[in-house]
Amino acid sequence: DIQMTQSPSSLSASVGDRVTITCRASQTIATYLNWYQQKPGKAPKLLIYAASNLQSGVPSRFSGSGSGTDFTLTISSLQPEDFATYFCQQTFSTSFGGGTKVEIK
Amino acid sequence: EVQLVESGGGLVHPGRSLRLSCAASGFSFEEYAMHWVRQAPGKGLEWVAGISWDSDSIVYADSVKGRFTISRDNAKKSLYLQINSLRTEDTALYYCAKADGTLVKYYFYGFDVWGQGTTVTVSS
Repeated sequence: DIQMTQSPSSLSASVGDRVTITCRASQTIATYLNWYQQKPGKAPKLLIYAASNLQSGVPSRFSGSGSGTDFTLTISSLQPEDFATYFCQQTFSTSFGGGTKVEIK
Repeated sequence: EVQLVESGGGLVHPGRSLRLSCAASGFSFEEYAMHWVRQAPGKGLEWVAGISWDSDSIVYADSVKGRFTISRDNAKKSLYLQINSLRTEDTALYYCAKADGTLVKYYFYGFDVWGQGTTVTVSS
């Protein structure tokens, strides 16, 4: 099984901050990596697919990068609606990372 | 409107069985792979199982292999998850999710449509 490790598990940030979340795979997965946002009581929402491709309708302040084992999700300027939990997902087989909760500072 | 609606959850005793269903509408169900993902209370997402568009390829998480069976009926636009020998650790919200393609391994796309989930609680 491929293990996905996200860091940090939580962070506090202010509106307007640049936020970076990392995801590391236990083996190389090329760019088989997606990112999701989940708000309390809601289903996850796909943000980024294939490591760096923005899903239709997702604001351009979200971006993804990386390949192999190390990946990054960046929010260039945090907005009030971005406070949520973020998950990475590898699709070499399929599994999710443990999540990163982004809270208001 | 593209929609997935799960049903079949409930409170069950350990060792019993349950069948979850997911009804799809608003898209060509037969053209896409489908998955089940669960989320235990206060925890993260756990992928459970996936099935290709034609049911030819089926994959499971190691944690459920041998107890869970995923299936689909393209004519009825429905996805199913048969859960046997339920354990307390199976307690979770179970989501049905549509993949944006046909494959269940080595795919460069994500789960672009999700249902609202159905809750399974395993307790004596």
